[in-house]
Amino acid sequence: EAGVTQFPSHSVIEKGQTVTLRCDPISGHDNLYWYRRVMGKEIKFLLHFVKESKQDESGMPNNRFLAERTGGTYSTLKVQPAELEDSGVYFCASSPLGNRNTEAFFGQGTRLTVV
Amino acid sequence: AQKVTQAQTEISVVEKEDVTLDCVYETRDTTYYLFWYKQPPSGELVFLIRRNSFDEQNEISGRYSWNFQKSTSSFNFTITASQVVDSAVYFCALRNGGTSYGKLTFGQGTILTVHP
Repeated sequence: EAGVTQFPSHSVIEKGQTVTLRCDPISGHDNLYWYRRVMGKEIKFLLHFVKESKQDESGMPNNRFLAERTGGTYSTLKVQPAELEDSGVYFCASSPLGNRNTEAFFGQGTRLTVV
Repeated sequence: AQKVTQAQTEISVVEKEDVTLDCVYETRDTTYYLFWYKQPPSGELVFLIRRNSFDEQNEISGRYSWNFQKSTSSFNFTITASQVVDSAVYFCALRNGGTSYGKLTFGQGTILTVHP
């Protein structure tokens, strides 16, 4: 069974440009989460989808970040325009719905560098 | 509000040494879950263990063991007879019982380097 897949693995963009990160969750997982780790700090929650609906977006830093999950399958996270402080590793995770006693499965992350 | 603190930023040991990674958490909830994840050089976060707040029994899995103590709000992780393949970043995390299933609060991570 395929795990959580994130694309691209690395992205280097200039300040002011737009970048779109993609996450393919494990098939059948209705819960999808985005997290971010800024250099050397803790991994921080960004938002949570249940199917195509945003359940919790309390961690989104500002309106330059837009997450979508059309059709309840893969998700995209767009940063527009990117700023230097957006650099970090963006993780996606998924878990099945209806079972609190389970862990979230994480992808390998996308390392974003804004120069 | 909840918080997870991993006071050890980096640990360096020689192969076959035992090593303990510390994790201290804060939460006001009585029901919560604690996790450890491993991030090897390949980048993905690999789940290691989940404990709920009502189960303080320590757990051992091969060379890995976990010591959960509610009295000190700690959930420490010990690797016995460390190996080079254990080199990774280790994250401790907390999820409150009332929150959405995957919303985790992570510590800053501990970089473990095991030298041959």
